[in-house]
Amino acid sequence: EPEVTQTPSHQVTQMGQEVILRCVPISNHLYFYWYRQILGQKVEFLVSFYNNEISEKSEIFDDQFSVERPDGSNFTLKIRSTKLEDSAMYFCASTGTGYTEAFFGQGTRLTVV
Amino acid sequence: AQSVSQHNHHVILSEAASLELGCNYSYGGTVNLFWYVQYPGQHLQLLLKYFSGDPLVKGIKGFEAEFIKSKFSFNLRKPSVQWSDTAEYFCAVKGSSASKIIFGSGTRLSIRP
Repeated sequence: EPEVTQTPSHQVTQMGQEVILRCVPISNHLYFYWYRQILGQKVEFLVSFYNNEISEKSEIFDDQFSVERPDGSNFTLKIRSTKLEDSAMYFCASTGTGYTEAFFGQGTRLTVV
Repeated sequence: AQSVSQHNHHVILSEAASLELGCNYSYGGTVNLFWYVQYPGQHLQLLLKYFSGDPLVKGIKGFEAEFIKSKFSFNLRKPSVQWSDTAEYFCAVKGSSASKIIFGSGTRLSIRP
């Protein structure tokens, strides 16, 4: 069964450092998403990406965040200068068309120290 | 704006008890509705979905949900829970084809063996 894969599974970084979280969506999917879940809290939408551009973003997705699909298979989330409050589980998701459910990756646990 | 409300933050049941988790949504147009489950330490997995047709949808592991349009509700049910159902359950809504999925705050289900 096809699946969304994310790497790394856990990343520890110092405050102020840049991190790149990587995702490989399901190969024939067209819509890509990043969500985050702070420990014990709800799953929050960050950004959606379609046709090589951001289609929607939340207020959380400020100038410190960026997304890219550099090579047609990977989908990355970059945080330019991490803050303690960026510590969370980050989930990548993809859908084939707008009318199907989103398939989620296993997540990357980001710990900012 | 889209929103999802889950009324129960934490539900504790004994094995074999019946389960109903409440979910109400707010959205002005046609919606797609989902229940996702997150087992401890794992990623989000789809339990069931409603796009159209029969408002009573059946999902995996004996779960079902009923879409009641007049009440803007999509409650999750299971007639007899098992210890292995211990998890966090998220109701989610999606509007137009390219829009994001919005999650409720989640309900933690604990099953006493």
